[in-house]
Amino acid sequence: KAGVTQTPRYLIKTRGQQVTLSCSPISGHRSVSWYQQTPGQGLQFLFEYFSETQRNKGNFPGRFSGRQFSNSRSEMNVSTLELGDSALYLCASRNGWGDEQYFGPGTRLTVT
Amino acid sequence: DQQVKQNSPSLSVQEGRISILNCDYTNSMFDYFLWYKKYPAEGPTFLISISSIKDKNEDGRFTVFLNKSAKHLSLHIVPSQPGDSAVYFCAASDSNDYKLSFGAGTTVTVRA
Repeated sequence: KAGVTQTPRYLIKTRGQQVTLSCSPISGHRSVSWYQQTPGQGLQFLFEYFSETQRNKGNFPGRFSGRQFSNSRSEMNVSTLELGDSALYLCASRNGWGDEQYFGPGTRLTVT
Repeated sequence: DQQVKQNSPSLSVQEGRISILNCDYTNSMFDYFLWYKKYPAEGPTFLISISSIKDKNEDGRFTVFLNKSAKHLSLHIVPSQPGDSAVYFCAASDSNDYKLSFGAGTTVTVRA
């Protein structure tokens, strides 16, 4: 099976702009989670979608949003970008509740 | 607030010796614990897990120990190999929502 894919892999944006990141889960997986990784902070949970519904949400401002499509692909949007949003954004998929998560390679976002 | 803490940002060990990585958590609701390994430019990959009903789980060279009363877990790698050089993340979840909380990671370097 193909692994989790994320596009784009690298992105440079300017403060105030918005950005959309995409994640394609492993075929058959219905859950997609998003994480932000910054140096010294580890991975911070953003949200999880299961069958197009947001099931869990982390402690991030409303500028961070996401959605999941009927084919389980997911997008994450960040509006009004700030310098502090520069990070590696990781997506993970799993088949069901409590199953192991498989991570994609991430999208490196740089905000200037 | 960091519910999972890895207080050692780095660890250097000689090839063939034991690597011991430590992790502490604060949320008493956590009942499932995992270790992930991450190479540069790749997403984290699942290494080993343990549920709160056990105090030890072994998989080849990797053993995870859980001390629930101390809210502490550790990962032992014996013997350490050069391919083990990576960042290791400790993660924990509550089986009510399976939302993963990660530590900040420990960078392991195995010296030849």
